[in-house]
Amino acid sequence: TQLLEQSPQFLSIQEGENLTVYCNSSSVFSSLQWYRQEPGEGPVLLVTVVTGGEVKKLKRLTFQFGDARKDSSLHITAAQPGDTGLYLCAGAGAGNMLTFGGGTRLMVKP
Amino acid sequence: GAVVSQHPSWVICKSGTSVKIECRSLDFQATTMFWYRQFPKQSLMLMATSNEGSKATYEQGVEKDKFLINHASLTLSTLTVTSAHPEDSSFYICSARVEAVGQPQHFGDGTRLSIL
Repeated sequence: TQLLEQSPQFLSIQEGENLTVYCNSSSVFSSLQWYRQEPGEGPVLLVTVVTGGEVKKLKRLTFQFGDARKDSSLHITAAQPGDTGLYLCAGAGAGNMLTFGGGTRLMVKP
Repeated sequence: GAVVSQHPSWVICKSGTSVKIECRSLDFQATTMFWYRQFPKQSLMLMATSNEGSKATYEQGVEKDKFLINHASLTLSTLTVTSAHPEDSSFYICSARVEAVGQPQHFGDGTRLSIL
């Protein structure tokens, strides 16, 4: 069974601060996806990282895939209230089955 | 592209009722769809993998007779919660992926099921 540990579980910060969310596993994933979920809605895909060491940027969000493809991080620069939500990492294993991390609930206060 | 539609978005029903939830891939074909369950403030837990034209594959601990899955076409999978009870109340989410190497799963907007 592949496990994906996500940290922190909760994060409450002021607008303008930076933050990093981590996903760690002892398993190797063929790819890793980051999603953001609003209350009462399904997760929305933010990015997919595939290559070890890969870095992708999406405006103020920077995603990194570890060299060994076992871990990943999401860094948000100058967080805004609109970034508030549940962030989920998910690793793709055999058969492209997804293993989800426990989620990080982010609240950005104005 | 890659839009997944889920219906209904919210259902309230009495205990003992059976409830059907639909998951459609609107602009692509999906031989495989996935059904997840999410409790409040928790992450998604995979319930089953729905395979077009064959039986679904259920995760350990998920009752196949309780949660009936039918994937009769390349764009539609249904989950029926049979004889629902209050403990079945949850947020159910489906996903589908484009059948190509490395393609991510795309999620529906979820169905909030409340059993009274």
